[in-house]
Amino acid sequence: EVQVVQSGGGLVQPGGSLRLSCIASGFTFSSFWMSWVRQAPGRGLEWVANIKEDGSQKYYMDSVKGRFSISRDNSRNSVYLEMSSLRPEDTAIYYCARDGETWLGPPGYWGQGALVTVSS
Amino acid sequence: EIVLTQSPDFQSVTPKERVTITCRASQNIEDRLHWYQQKPDQSPKLLIKYASQSFSGVPSRFSGSGSGTTFTLTINSFEAEDAATYYCHQTGSLPRTYGQGTKVEIK
Repeated sequence: EVQVVQSGGGLVQPGGSLRLSCIASGFTFSSFWMSWVRQAPGRGLEWVANIKEDGSQKYYMDSVKGRFSISRDNSRNSVYLEMSSLRPEDTAIYYCARDGETWLGPPGYWGQGALVTVSS
Repeated sequence: EIVLTQSPDFQSVTPKERVTITCRASQNIEDRLHWYQQKPDQSPKLLIKYASQSFSGVPSRFSGSGSGTTFTLTINSFEAEDAATYYCHQTGSLPRTYGQGTKVEIK
């Protein structure tokens, strides 16, 4: 059974930093792209970033470029989202998800989500 | 950036009714269009990938069609448990984008 379990999240002041983690199981982790998707309170879904199976390619939405960094550790079946220079508009539930075996593949398995609140 | 526009924004339906949601893309995305269901306080669930392929474990009453710029999600014989918000999502071009969502409620 495919499982994606997230940790991290919480309250952080504007300009602060936070790290989200995600550990996956039930599949060959090193064969799949992974993504982060967020959802502001009461709003729709927004793609944040994704990373290739071997970590050699990473893509970001424009508003987080230079502030967020996606990474993975295939030996730990884990993917991370390092967030810095956080802004109130980054407040959202952040979901980790397993993509397909190519960069076209949609997120098919999602974590439970982690709430990030940026506020003073 | 490819903009996905869903219609309608909201729909109130009776059980066993057929439900149709449309997603229009601002550019040709071939079949790189996927559909999700999200219930309150839950993570999204993939229903349909690549316009018409059912994802594992999804009930057969859910189906998708379309290509290019116009896509449709159909729920045949709506059930109470299908009350949710539905999103289309494209992976054909970066940045990946989602539609604004269609909320479907029981009448």
